[in-house]
Amino acid sequence: EVQLVESGGGLVQPGGSLRLSCAASGFTFTTSSMHWVRQVPGKGLVWLSLINPEGTNTSYADSVKGRFTISRDNAKNTLYLQMNNLRAEDTAVYYCAKDSYGCGDYWGQGSLVTVSS
Amino acid sequence: DVVVTQSPLSLPVTLGQPASISCRSSQSLVYSDGNTYLSWFQQRPGQSPRRLIYKVSNRDSGVPDRFSGSGSGTDFTLKISRVEAEDVGLYYCLQGTHWPQSFGQGTKVEIK
Repeated sequence: EVQLVESGGGLVQPGGSLRLSCAASGFTFTTSSMHWVRQVPGKGLVWLSLINPEGTNTSYADSVKGRFTISRDNAKNTLYLQMNNLRAEDTAVYYCAKDSYGCGDYWGQGSLVTVSS
Repeated sequence: DVVVTQSPLSLPVTLGQPASISCRSSQSLVYSDGNTYLSWFQQRPGQSPRRLIYKVSNRDSGVPDRFSGSGSGTDFTLKISRVEAEDVGLYYCLQGTHWPQSFGQGTKVEIK
């Protein structure tokens, strides 16, 4: 059974940093591209970032480029999102998603990040 | 960046009746490999999104056959042949052809 479990969310002050993790199991992580998507409560889905299986190629939404970094540890079957210089508008539920012919054949349960003083 | 526009944003439907959601992109979604990376997602209240359709018209495993996708180029449609109560929720299209990828605004499907 495919499982994606996010962790690392919580309350952080504006300007602070946080690293989200997504533990993957039930599929061959090392051959799968992976995505991060976020959703402000009550609002729509926003695609954030993509990383290829080897971790050598990444893509970002303009809203997070230069502040967020996607990475992966294939030995640990884990995806990461390092978030720096956080702003109030980054408050959202963050989902990791597996890629198969595009984003999202499987999704995690989401991790809530709240940016507030 | 590619803009993806869904319509309508709200769709009241009668149980057992068909429903249709439109998704239009600001650029053609045909990729250099010949594929069109347009997907549809369902998000029930309080749940993570679930992909229904990938590459325009391919149903994901376990998706009921009352859901179908069609379209080409910049114009795409998700159809539900006979709406059931469990279909209530938000529906999103996603273009994966151009980077950065982008979702539509979402369409809320509710029962009349």
